[in-house]
Amino acid sequence: EVQLLESGGGLVPPGGSLRLSCAASGFTFSSYAMSWVRQAPGKGLEWVSAIRGSNSNTFYADSVKGRFTISRDNSKNTLYLQMNSLRAEDTAVYYCAKLSWSFGGWVDSWGQGTLVTVSS
Amino acid sequence: EIVMTQSPATLSVSPGERATLSCRASQSVSNNLAWYQQKPGQAPRLLIYGASTRATGIPARFSGGGSGTEFTLTISSLQSEDFTFYYCQQYTDWPLTFGGGTNVEIK
Repeated sequence: EVQLLESGGGLVPPGGSLRLSCAASGFTFSSYAMSWVRQAPGKGLEWVSAIRGSNSNTFYADSVKGRFTISRDNSKNTLYLQMNSLRAEDTAVYYCAKLSWSFGGWVDSWGQGTLVTVSS
Repeated sequence: EIVMTQSPATLSVSPGERATLSCRASQSVSNNLAWYQQKPGQAPRLLIYGASTRATGIPARFSGGGSGTEFTLTISSLQSEDFTFYYCQQYTDWPLTFGGGTNVEIK
């Protein structure tokens, strides 16, 4: 059974930094692309970033490009999201998501999410 | 960026009736289209991928159709647990993009 467990969320002031982690189990982590998807309070789903399993190419939404960095440690089966220069509009539940292929695809498994609140 | 537009934003349907949700892409995504269901306070759940293939464990009352730029999700006979939010998502190109969602509510 695929399990994705996020951690690292919390309250951070505007301009601050936070690092999210996602511990994965139940599948061959290095063989799949992984992604972060967020949902602001009362809003819809927004894709944030993805990293391929095969060659670790990375992709970002324009709203986070230059501020967020996605990475993975295949030896630890862990996905990361380093978030810098945080803004109030980054406040959201952040979901770790497993994509269906090594190079992308649909989300076939979701974590339960971790809440990031950017506020002074 | 491929923009995904869902309609209607809210759909009012009586239990047992059929619901048809629409999703339109700003350019062709072939059949690289997924549908997700999300209940309040929960993570989304995959319903459909490849525009029409049901994910494991999804009841047969859920069906997907379409290709190119026009897609539909049909729930043939709404059960109480189906009244919630639904999102479409394209995965033909980066960035991945979601539609704004449809809230299926009890009429």
